[in-house]
Amino acid sequence: QKEVEQDPGPLSVPEGAIVSLNCTYSNSAFQYFMWYRQYSRKGPELLMYTYSSGNKEDGRFTAQVDKSSKYISLFIRDSQPSDSATYLCAMRIGGYQKVTFGTGTKLQVIP
Amino acid sequence: KAGVTQTPRYLIKTRGQQVTLSCSPISGHRSVSWYQQTPGQGLQFLFEYFSETQRNKGNFPGRFSGRQFSNSRSEMNVSTLELGDSALYLCASSHPTGSGELFFGEGSRLTVL
Repeated sequence: QKEVEQDPGPLSVPEGAIVSLNCTYSNSAFQYFMWYRQYSRKGPELLMYTYSSGNKEDGRFTAQVDKSSKYISLFIRDSQPSDSATYLCAMRIGGYQKVTFGTGTKLQVIP
Repeated sequence: KAGVTQTPRYLIKTRGQQVTLSCSPISGHRSVSWYQQTPGQGLQFLFEYFSETQRNKGNFPGRFSGRQFSNSRSEMNVSTLELGDSALYLCASSHPTGSGELFFGEGSRLTVL
């Protein structure tokens, strides 16, 4: 079993829809949780970063962490065609530990 | 501020050959991590260097090696290439006093024939 599980999709939604992306993990020691966005033929770019449990909002993006359930989510409101990309969840135990990634969910927003 | 630069961007090798990939981190970043990305496995951690020392290592065979220079630039080497080594190799740097967010380059796409 992988430490981080993520549905690969693809997920196809109409423009303006609310998108929900999720990951589950098995290692309760993870404390730092991130979401990266990767466009085709590009490297991943950091989208959201949270520490421990709770919610964090940044514009149209909201990240949620539920450590009791070992479950993290990324919500995208008013989705745009430019949001079409692969979204990777990632997590880390401590400040100097390696970052473990999910396999990514491919999202397509249809105009 | 310049981002993470990886060279070469694309390369084709044959089985048994070796390859060296280069990564220049963001100025001021002293930590450099390497990841292998494949469609089936996603991003898998190879190793991380900080101040010329390997600080973390993933579960890859000894054919995969790396090093970091005093200017924080890093190289990774893969010897005796196998078909399964075909992948996108991503380098990421992070700031030592930050929260450890990774800043990725665009990757080096290796094809082994």
